[in-house]
Amino acid sequence: GESVGLHLPTLSVQEGDNSIINCAYSNSASDYFIWYKQESGKGPQFIIDIRSNMDKRQGQRVTVLLNKTVKHLSLQIAATQPGDSAVYFCAENSLMNYGGSQGNLIFGKGTKLSVKP
Amino acid sequence: DTEVTQTPKHLVMGMTNKKSLKCEQHMGHRAMYWYKQKAKKPPELMFVYSYEKLSINESVPSRFSPECPNSSLLNLHLHALQPEDSALYLCASSQVVREDTQYFGPGTRLTVL
Repeated sequence: GESVGLHLPTLSVQEGDNSIINCAYSNSASDYFIWYKQESGKGPQFIIDIRSNMDKRQGQRVTVLLNKTVKHLSLQIAATQPGDSAVYFCAENSLMNYGGSQGNLIFGKGTKLSVKP
Repeated sequence: DTEVTQTPKHLVMGMTNKKSLKCEQHMGHRAMYWYKQKAKKPPELMFVYSYEKLSINESVPSRFSPECPNSSLLNLHLHALQPEDSALYLCASSQVVREDTQYFGPGTRLTVL
């Protein structure tokens, strides 16, 4: 989702439910995508990645879907737990980022996931 | 081991102070990064080192001075900072710069008085 000012989009889910966090990216040349989880007071933690030659990748309790036609990325978390509460960032990587400087990440604005016990 | 360490965890400094932030990784990564993150915002890239050479400086003011003494260490020297420089400073590393997962440290919470 999009953030306005200092407000992060927030997704609130019940413990045990599935969560879906969405991300729109802008650069059609982006060819590598990463999801990070950032808990309060900590650095971003790698969750899962996907390359542009794939449209789905699964990890432990997480699945990333990539739709290059509409430039959309999603993170699905199965059986969401209180420990999943955090801000989730998508990041894209493109050879064309930063005026030709290669391989640097561009972060999305982030989504705050709150899990209700 | 995918650990990037950063010291100190917290730093409070005055506008006339000189201080340094330190970052270390032992994963054999040859690309290291400094990011700045303000509250409720994504990380913003400041500097990129590739094979111990500065490859990207994202128009960062000269009061921030990076240094890469060897392939495992990355420093950020701070001098004459402003209160608006208060933020979480994150270090990251990746195998190489292109299309590689970046692993982040826990960050240094900097407060400039």
